[in-house]
Amino acid sequence: GENVEQHPSTLSVQEGDSAVIKCTYSDSASNYFPWYKQELGKRPQLIIDIRSNVGEKKDQRIAVTLNKTAKHFSLHITETQPEDSAVYFCAALYGNKLVFGAGTILRVKS
Amino acid sequence: DAMVIQNPRYQVTQFGKPVTLSCSQTLNHNVMYWYQQKSSQAPKLLFHYYDKDFNNEADTPDNFQSRRPNTSFCFLDIRSPGLGDAAMYLCATSTAGQGKVPQHFGDGTRLSIL
Repeated sequence: GENVEQHPSTLSVQEGDSAVIKCTYSDSASNYFPWYKQELGKRPQLIIDIRSNVGEKKDQRIAVTLNKTAKHFSLHITETQPEDSAVYFCAALYGNKLVFGAGTILRVKS
Repeated sequence: DAMVIQNPRYQVTQFGKPVTLSCSQTLNHNVMYWYQQKSSQAPKLLFHYYDKDFNNEADTPDNFQSRRPNTSFCFLDIRSPGLGDAAMYLCATSTAGQGKVPQHFGDGTRLSIL
């Protein structure tokens, strides 16, 4: 079935440390995996995405890795800053439908 | 500049009183989506349009309907809102190619039911 599991549900890190959020998906046919950042009361904003033909993608302090065999993908944020505090959602494309994980509340303490 | 525009940002309606939320886009995207997002939860897809083709999710309540009069506009109609329909409603768009991704979201309309 269509399922995306996301862990952890909350994550607190010290400013400057790294943060890692992990997701698993159930359909091996899924080929697109975006990550969205949502600040309180605002829209989900696409921060990075990856397709299944690559294993890793990086954009400045943000990187995503994909393990197709294990059906999991992870978001890595390095040198975290207070403005990184938000809810992060992973998602997987099932057919033509994006299925979201439950979200991770990231708090960066200064 | 906002490319997916939702109006209003906040909407208050009475229990059982029909309400319409609107979404417009300047991206000329073929596909438009409506999601419901309740507090502390992930967005949940209600339905989407691929051009004029309407696609309803199996678990979307009959109370929810949508109209897309042209490429730029899409409306969400809630015929008889109940207390459980209070949520943020997000509109998103995408092109038709590459699996219809990425999706670009609007700022949402927060619906409250009195």
